[in-house]
Amino acid sequence: SAVISQKPSRDICQRGTSLTIQCQVDSQVTMMFWYRQQPGQSLTLIATANQGSEATYESGFVIDKFPISRPNLTFSTLTVSNMSPEDSSIYLCSVVGTGGKNTEAFFGQGTRLTVV
Amino acid sequence: AQSVTQPDIHITVSEGASLELRCNYSYGATPYLFWYVQSPGQGLQLLLKYFSGDTLVQGIKGFEAEFKRSQSSFNLRKPSVHWSDAAEYFCAVGPHQTGANNLFFGTGTRLTVIP
Repeated sequence: SAVISQKPSRDICQRGTSLTIQCQVDSQVTMMFWYRQQPGQSLTLIATANQGSEATYESGFVIDKFPISRPNLTFSTLTVSNMSPEDSSIYLCSVVGTGGKNTEAFFGQGTRLTVV
Repeated sequence: AQSVTQPDIHITVSEGASLELRCNYSYGATPYLFWYVQSPGQGLQLLLKYFSGDTLVQGIKGFEAEFKRSQSSFNLRKPSVHWSDAAEYFCAVGPHQTGANNLFFGTGTRLTVIP
């Protein structure tokens, strides 16, 4: 299993500002994933963060809006840039357990972001 | 394209009653299937998963789910609900090629348990 710590747990931000969310894992993992959970919506994968390379973004998400860092195998950050009220969501960090694809995904507690 | 449908947005059951949460998926091949629970203020916790083999899967907290290929369904069941089961439940699929590396989630079903 993996224990994931996310910070901050929640924040209220002014529009036009940026927020950086941190994700710390208690073990080394190759890939880390960032999801967004908009109010009343399902979780949507934003990007996959690989250590030592650029993050891979899903359709509809761009690096300028959601820059990601992955400095080592246990840590990643997601920045929500130039925020607008539409960015109000829960953002979750996730990792997949070792053993290949046939394993479960572990999630952090999420960051609840409100943009005013 | 993959998709997951949870037709019930909100379900209310009495404590001790049985529960079934519906999940239908759309995918060209048999995907990997998951059920997660999200309690208020908590992260997602895996209840159970299906990759292959026995189509009736047992999970934690007394939950089980049955994979029915002919109906493209993976419904979650519990014979007797406890008040602590009140939470949001998400069905998810992982494409066969990537498994849990790229999950597609349903919109969730909120469960309310009344005394």
